[in-house]
Amino acid sequence: EPEVTQTPSHQVTQMGQEVILRCVPISNHLYFYWYRQILGQKVEFLVSFYNNEISEKSEIFDDQFSVERPDGSNFTLKIRSTKLEDSAMYFCASSHGREIYNEQFFGPGTRLTVL
Amino acid sequence: RKEVEQDPGPFNVPEGATVAFNCTYSNSASQSFFWYRQDCRKEPKLLMSVYSSGNEDGRFTAQLNRASQYISLLIRDSKLSDSATYLCVVNESGGSYIPTFGRGTSLIVHP
Repeated sequence: EPEVTQTPSHQVTQMGQEVILRCVPISNHLYFYWYRQILGQKVEFLVSFYNNEISEKSEIFDDQFSVERPDGSNFTLKIRSTKLEDSAMYFCASSHGREIYNEQFFGPGTRLTVL
Repeated sequence: RKEVEQDPGPFNVPEGATVAFNCTYSNSASQSFFWYRQDCRKEPKLLMSVYSSGNEDGRFTAQLNRASQYISLLIRDSKLSDSATYLCVVNESGGSYIPTFGRGTSLIVHP
């Protein structure tokens, strides 16, 4: 069964450093998403991406965040200068369509720890 | 501000019990609704979509009440494997597509 994969599973970084989180969406999906979940809190939408551009972004997705689809398979989230409060689980998701009834498939997540 | 509220629980029930969760949403423009399941430190997985007429999938039944702005999930004949956190997700329609998650309701099914 096709699945979304994410690497690394755990990333530890120093405050102020740049990190890149990687995702490989399901191959025939067209819409890609990033979410974060701070420990013990709810899942929060960050950004959606389609046709090589951002479709929607939340208030959380400020200038320190960027997304990219550098090739035909990877979808990345870059955090330019990490802060302590960026420590969270980051989930990538993909869906075949954008319609609001489309199921999103989530990857296993990358746990980011900022020291 | 759009809010999706859930009772965090935990709901602690014996095997075989029937348990129900509610989720309220504040944005009356919300158009689609889902229940996801999240196991500890794992990714959310879609349990079921919630349709206006209500829908059932095996032991799980989802209902939508637009007038009161809530959705519900009923689990019959609970299994140990149902132990998880159940997330309510609400989407708007139109130009904006930003899903809003509730904090989740924790369910513990014990022998």
